[in-house]
Order: sequence, then structure tokens, then C-alpha cells
Amino acid sequence: AQSVTQLDSHVSVSEGTPVLLRCNYSSSYSPSLFWYVQHPNKGLQLLLKYTSAATLVKGINGFEAEFKKSETSFHLTKPSAHMSDAAEYFCVVFWAGTASKLTFGTGTRLQVTL
Amino acid sequence: GAVVSQHPSRVICKSGTSVKIECRSLDFQATTMFWYRQFPKKSLMLMATSNEGSKATYEQGVEKDKFLINHASLTLSTLTVTSAHPEDSSFYICSARDSGQGFGEQFFGPGTRLTVL
Repeated sequence: AQSVTQLDSHVSVSEGTPVLLRCNYSSSYSPSLFWYVQHPNKGLQLLLKYTSAATLVKGINGFEAEFKKSETSFHLTKPSAHMSDAAEYFCVVFWAGTASKLTFGTGTRLQVTL
Repeated sequence: GAVVSQHPSRVICKSGTSVKIECRSLDFQATTMFWYRQFPKKSLMLMATSNEGSKATYEQGVEKDKFLINHASLTLSTLTVTSAHPEDSSFYICSARDSGQGFGEQFFGPGTRLTVL
């Protein structure tokens, strides 16, 4: 079965330091990949997406992610964390032919400390 | 970008009453909309897929008579929680897929917090 794994349920970084949120997916063919952010009691906001174009994808708020097919990974990074980045982050995958359904990772809570 | 709205954002009701939640795509046509439920500190759980003009497709374990879905137009889908009970309290999120998009991207609404007393 197709699945998405977010390796860390909780990540804590200091403000101004780099952020790395890890995501791996299982599949024998390339999917579309998304990172969404959710602030408390809010809906999901799209940070960035990979849809078979450039493997390094730049998103909003300084985030970027690199699609690595050989590693089946799509890790999210940011060079310098800001307090406002504290939120829940979801790695989401879409495989064509799955009746338009998205497969969600379990989420990573990012904490940013002073 | 595409915007999806939900109404109401928060609702409190008594046990046994029914609650309707609206999901609208504001600047694009959505032949397909999705309803999710999110428990505290958990990921989103797909409840059903709503297609304009046809019956919704429910995920396994979701009671279709409990969670009524109507997708009457290309911009509006509604979820009605019938005879709500405290265990139905949750955060409900809808999303919509742009008909012209082929990569699976969904645009999410801001969510509705349902509390059943």
C-alpha cells in the first residue's frame, strides 16, 4: 500500500537556525508531493508542491524542498527559523489513479524557541 | 491562489440536533470536494469525496446516514451532521480540487470546530 512517513513527530529549533522536516514516501513511480502548514485551529496552507518539474522546489516564507527519487524523499528545509514558523507541517502525496485522494503524513510539530 | 471558505467557523450544539457546514470554492470551479475530520494532534482523516451532481463516496467506517453530503453546484458542498452526539465533536475541514488541475492539488478551507454538548 502507498504510504507517507514523516520521520519526526516533533522538531524543536532555535530562532535563526536551520529547519529540516523529513518526509519519505513509498511508491514505485513518481507522485505529486506537497507540504502544507497548519496553525492552531486553522485550515491547511500550501507551502510548496512538486509536480514533476524542477526537483528543488521553492515555496512561500523561505521554505524549500528537494525531491530525491532515488531516496523516495521530499524533505522540507528553511535556512533560518522564525518564531512564526511554529506550527504543524504535513507532507502530502498524490498518486495518479487514486481517485484524486491525497495521502497524508502524520504531521510534524515544529517548535521554535528564542 | 484559489480560495475555499467554510461556514460556520465554529458551532456549538446540543446533543440530538443536526448541524450543517458549508464549503465554497470562491474563485474556481470544483467538480470534486473532500471532507476531512481531524482529531486533536492528529492528521486529517478523509471522510468522503463529494462529486458535483452525484452521490458522495464515503470512506470505510464513515456512516453515510450520519454525515450527509450534498454537492449541488460546482462551488458548494455541504456536510450535515445528523443527530449529533458528543463523540462527533471535532474539527471538520473541507477541500476542493480545481477542475483544471491535473496534479492532485487540493485547496483547503479554514475548518469548522464542532462542539456537541
